[in-house]
Amino acid sequence: AQSVTQPDIHITVSEGASLELRCNYSYGATPYLFWYVQSPGQGLQLLLKYFSGDTLVQGIKGFEAEFKRSQSSFNLRKPSVHWSDAAEYFCAVGGRKNTGFQKLVFGTGTRLLVSP
Amino acid sequence: ETGVTQTPRHLVMGMTNKKSLKCEQHLGHNAMYWYKQSAKKPLELMFVYSLEERVENNSVPSRFSPECPNSSHLFLHLHTLQPEDSALYLCASSLHRDNSYEQYFGPGTRLTVT
Repeated sequence: AQSVTQPDIHITVSEGASLELRCNYSYGATPYLFWYVQSPGQGLQLLLKYFSGDTLVQGIKGFEAEFKRSQSSFNLRKPSVHWSDAAEYFCAVGGRKNTGFQKLVFGTGTRLLVSP
Repeated sequence: ETGVTQTPRHLVMGMTNKKSLKCEQHLGHNAMYWYKQSAKKPLELMFVYSLEERVENNSVPSRFSPECPNSSHLFLHLHTLQPEDSALYLCASSLHRDNSYEQYFGPGTRLTVT
C-alpha cells in the first residue's frame, strides 16, 4: 500500500538559513511525487513534482527536491528561508494511472516556523 | 475567477440541517476531487469524478452525497452530520494528459457542525 512519512511535525528555522524537510514514501512501482504548501486558511499550492528524468527538480518560490530511489526519499530544500515561507508543507505520492485521475496519498505535514 | 474556487468559505450547521458545498474549476480540467482535512490527520480522499463519472468513493458515510453536473462543477451535499465531520473540505481538479495528473486545490470550506 502507498504511504508517506513526514517525520518532523514542526521545524523552526531562522530567516536566511537553509531548510530541508524530510519525506519518505512507500510505493510498489515508480512513484509520482509532489510537494504542496498550505498557508493558514488556504488550500494547497503545488510547489514541485517529480515524474521521471532528472532526480533534482526545481519548483516555485526557490524550492527544490531530490528524488532518491535507494532511500525512498523526496526531501524538500531551500537555500535561504524567508519569513513568508512559514506554512505547512505536505509531501504526496501517487502512481501512473490510465483512468483519467490519480489517487494521491499525503503525509501528515510539517509545520515550518521562521524566526527573525 | 481563476483556478479552483469554493463556496462558502465558512459554514456552521446543526446536525439536522441540510447544506451544500460548491466547487468550480476554471482550468479546463476533467477530473475533480473532494478531500477532508482534519487536524493532525493526513488529507483523506473522499470522492473522485473523472469525466463527470464517479470513479472513487472511499467508504464515505452516506450523509455526504457528491454531485458532478459537468466537468467544471462539483457539489458536496451534507445532511444529518455529526460533530466529528467538522473539518476543512478541499476540492481539487486535474487534467488527464500525458500521465501528468497534478492536482490543483481550492481554498477550502471550513465546516463546523454544532
